[in-house]
Amino acid sequence: DSGVTQTPKHLITATGQRVTLRCSPRSGDLSVYWYQQSLDQGLQFLIQYYNGEERAKGNILERFSAQQFPDLHSELNLSSLELGDSALYFCASSATSGSPGELFFGEGSRLTVL
Amino acid sequence: GENVEQHPSTLSVQEGDSAVIKCTYSDSASNYFPWYKQELGKRPQLIIDIRSNVGEKKDQRIAVTLNKTAKHFSLHITETQPEDSAVYFCAADGGYNKLIFGAGTRLAVHP
Repeated sequence: DSGVTQTPKHLITATGQRVTLRCSPRSGDLSVYWYQQSLDQGLQFLIQYYNGEERAKGNILERFSAQQFPDLHSELNLSSLELGDSALYFCASSATSGSPGELFFGEGSRLTVL
Repeated sequence: GENVEQHPSTLSVQEGDSAVIKCTYSDSASNYFPWYKQELGKRPQLIIDIRSNVGEKKDQRIAVTLNKTAKHFSLHITETQPEDSAVYFCAADGGYNKLIFGAGTRLAVHP
């Protein structure tokens, strides 16, 4: 158990819909990262938050948005869903604010768009 | 931004053989290079990492080497076992502590 909690574990929805994925980082971790893993693909960096503020943005579509709340949990919002958005979405957290270090991944939220 | 390339995409070895996975990165400012293992249906987990002030690091049957000049690093697994079968990802720090991952290598160890 990494200490990172993601909900829901599985989600099935239709094209055009909107979903929200939730992540609770490890206790004390200030950084939250979102990654997308499509079938048999690598881990694509989407966005990073540190203590409530956006820190870095990767290949995140304009239809997607995220935020980190004062209690440090984070939500990833995916709207106007397309078939190609079907993927495993991982949240990760880390404690380091200076030099980079280990990312602790949650179990992921598997999104299926029909 | 940082770009990481990983080879091979698949690797099949016999139990007891060695396995080597290679990665190259583009940003010379990167100084942290971890390797993650992802078993089927599971989350990625760190298995070993190396920082730019070190050329090689070992942990039992796994080792990582780093060549900063050539901007490449490699994972070496010796005496492979069936439980080593998984997808392995290399990564490099892309600034602000975010990690940029390679495309992954699917390792199959056959008994």
